[in-house]
Formats: sequence, C-alpha cells, structure tokens
Amino acid sequence: GAGVSQSPRYKVAKRGQDVALRCDPISGHVSLFWYQQALGQGPEFLTYFQNEAQLDKSGLPSDRFFAERPEGSVSTLKIQRTQQEDSAVYLCASSPTATNEKLFFGSGTQLSVL
Amino acid sequence: QKEVEQNSGPLSVPEGAIASLNCTYSDRGSQSFFWYRQYSGKSPELIMSIYSNGDKEDGRFTAQLNKASQYVSLLIRDSQPSDSATYLCAVTASNSNSGYALNFGKGTSLLVTP
Repeated sequence: GAGVSQSPRYKVAKRGQDVALRCDPISGHVSLFWYQQALGQGPEFLTYFQNEAQLDKSGLPSDRFFAERPEGSVSTLKIQRTQQEDSAVYLCASSPTATNEKLFFGSGTQLSVL
Repeated sequence: QKEVEQNSGPLSVPEGAIASLNCTYSDRGSQSFFWYRQYSGKSPELIMSIYSNGDKEDGRFTAQLNKASQYVSLLIRDSQPSDSATYLCAVTASNSNSGYALNFGKGTSLLVTP
C-alpha cells in the first residue's frame, strides 16, 4: 500500500495483559514516530526512530512501554502489564527525511484496556 | 500550563466565510510550526508548515507566525463544509532529545455550515 499501515485497528486487552502494536511505514521513509492520542486530546509524543536507531524515547510514559525498529522499516510498540490509563489511540507516523517536516500518519490502533 | 494552547471550540462559520484558528505556545526555542487537520475518527493530515515570522499562503489556507508573541494562526478562506474537522496546532519541542518531537494542542473543532 501507499500509506502508513497499522495493525491491529482495534485491540481490547484485559488489565495486566501485554500488547504489541505494529506499524508499517511508507517504504523508504527514514523517520518513524509513535504518538498516543487520548479521547478529545491532541497526540502526545512517545518515541522517534531514525532508520533503526531510537534517537528519542523521552515521551514513553513508563518502563512498561517499549518500541523497536530492528531493520529500519517495520516498528513495534509493546506495552507490558497494560493499565486502564493506557487506553488511547496509538498513532504511527513516518517521514521521508530525518526531520519532522512532513509526517504521514497511519490510521492508528485503538487500544481499550478493561 | 499546556505547551500548546488552542480554543477547543466548536468554531462555527457559514459556508464561504473566513475561518480563523489560533494557537499559542510556551516554548520560546521552537523553530517549526505545523497545522494538521483531523477528521473525526481519522488520522491527522498535514496542511501547512511555517518556520519564519509572517504569512505563508497555500491555496485557501494562510498560516501566520509571530514568534515574539508566541502565536500561530491559520486562516481558511472560502470555507467549505468539507473543511469541517479538528485543526491541530503542532510545535517542535526544542528541548526534546532528538529535536523532532512535536507538541500538539488539543485542537479546535471547526464546523462550516451550508
């Protein structure tokens, strides 16, 4: 596909479960970002990759959150021991350059923790 | 204090009118400013970027930046019902590890009535 692809589209987890969210960026895009968007809020920065290097993880809210992009393309955001406050839409965005000048967002994964 | 402030609205304008959306930010070191449009249930889409003081026009959209006042605005001329969406202001966080994290406002909901 031509756009950023995220899966699953919806995820329901019981509190305490681990979840893994996948992002397929646009082919060849250097930069990859993860954002968390709570209902009625703007996106909140989580982490940034330039190719396979995680250059910024300052937005990850706790050590339960972990992201990787081992081959510089697909990325996975993992949340361990999910809590109700983790319920949000998780957005992945990619950019063709090593900047944030033009982000292409995926449709997001809506995570609901019960 | 949130780093990026927007009036949540809704801002209602008649079709054909000018819609004016405003944003203030607290990070004096920010150098890059963006407007994203987000339709309900969809992902954000970049519509304008601006980096220097003054106006930047692109079709029906004009972005205005005043760094001294820490103020960014978006004007939409000849508003159409299809412009009805939430408009997110985003500002590069100068103190982020990578320099590429964006701080988003909560967004302003715009409704263009026929």
